[in-house]
Amino acid sequence: NAGVMQNPRHLVRRRGQEARLRCSPMKGHSHVYWYRQLPEEGLKFMVYLQKENIIDESGMPKERFSAEFPKEGPSILRIQQVVRGDSAAYFCASSPRTGDNTEAFFGQGTRLTVV
Amino acid sequence: DAKTTQPPSMDCAEGRAANLPCNHSTISGNEYVYWYRQIHSQGPQYIIHGLKNNETNEMASLIITEDRKSSTLILPHATLRDTAVYYCIVLNAGNNRKLIWGLGTSLAVNP
Repeated sequence: NAGVMQNPRHLVRRRGQEARLRCSPMKGHSHVYWYRQLPEEGLKFMVYLQKENIIDESGMPKERFSAEFPKEGPSILRIQQVVRGDSAAYFCASSPRTGDNTEAFFGQGTRLTVV
Repeated sequence: DAKTTQPPSMDCAEGRAANLPCNHSTISGNEYVYWYRQIHSQGPQYIIHGLKNNETNEMASLIITEDRKSSTLILPHATLRDTAVYYCIVLNAGNNRKLIWGLGTSLAVNP
């Protein structure tokens, strides 16, 4: 059972370009979470999705950022018109359900550098 | 979700037990205590979690005080590969299970 797969592992974008980050959850997991980690800081929650639904996007900036988790295929975090402040590590986690006794498993992250 | 307080850093000698404390004095009855670690900017790795009973798995033990206001993660025989930042997180399963991360404890295991 493969773990949570994120790609690319490293992404370099010029200011103003678009960044697309992909996350394939573990097999059988229908819940996906995206987190952002700035250098020397802890992770910050961005968005929580289930298949075809955004459940909680309270941590995601209102502009330029969007996320989806289609019926088929990976979850996508999309950042339009990137700025230098978007440079960070973006982690995806998945879990099978929202019961009390389940843990989330994380991918290895995508490190976005905006130049 | 309840806030947690952890020391910013700790040292441990290789082969000895590492005891990482966490205070969560405002924890409520339906909130679990979760521990994750992050090794050198890799993806966070789940370690263990518990509600009120002590828990043990192949990685660690979790000791939760009777009043649930604090807990201790125990790595029984620390190795150099256990050097990481350890995060204690209190989670209300009803809150969409999003994890609220603090700054954690940076554990250095020394040879």
